[in-house]
Amino acid sequence: EVSLVESGGGLVQPGGSLRLSCVASGFTFSIDWMHWVRQAPGKGLVWVSGINGDGSNTRYVDSVKGRFTISRDNAEDTLYLQMNSLRAEDTAVYYCVKDGGYANFDVWGQGILVTVSS
Amino acid sequence: ETVLTQSPGTLSLSPGERATLSCRASQSVSSSLLAWYQQKPGQAPRLLIYGASRRATGIPDRFSGSGSGTDFTLTISRLEPEDFAVYYCQQYVRSPPAYTFGQGTKLEIK
Repeated sequence: EVSLVESGGGLVQPGGSLRLSCVASGFTFSIDWMHWVRQAPGKGLVWVSGINGDGSNTRYVDSVKGRFTISRDNAEDTLYLQMNSLRAEDTAVYYCVKDGGYANFDVWGQGILVTVSS
Repeated sequence: ETVLTQSPGTLSLSPGERATLSCRASQSVSSSLLAWYQQKPGQAPRLLIYGASRRATGIPDRFSGSGSGTDFTLTISRLEPEDFAVYYCQQYVRSPPAYTFGQGTKLEIK
């Protein structure tokens, strides 16, 4: 069974850092693009970042460029999101997502809550 | 930047009725890169339709997608109680690379 399990969320002060992890299972992790998508409380979905199979190509939404870094460890089937200089507006549930091959998102983790507040 | 606008914001229907949800793009979108998702409260979204009209694995055939260019539609032919949820369209643009979602349509029980 295909599965994505996120961890590393929690409460952090503005300006702080947090690293999210996502462990994948049930598919060949090293082949697929992987992404992070977030959803602020009561709001819609926003794509945050994506990375290709070997980690050589990364993309970010403008609002997180220079602050967030996506990476992956294919030996451990794990996706990461390093989040620095966090702001209140980064408060959201963050989903780890597998690319379905047509730039869509065919497998989603359960989501992990990140709260940025003093 | 290509913006996706979904309408209506909220759709109130009864089980057994037909639902038609719209997604309009601010500029032409490749049909192969347009998808629809369903999200229920407290759950992660689920891929329903990709390539504008292809059902994802395990999606019932009462869900169908259509459209091209700037206008896309998700149709649910006969609503079941479990279909009441929020629906999002999503597209990918190659240059510059960007993935964007519509703001969502809430399908509620009338």
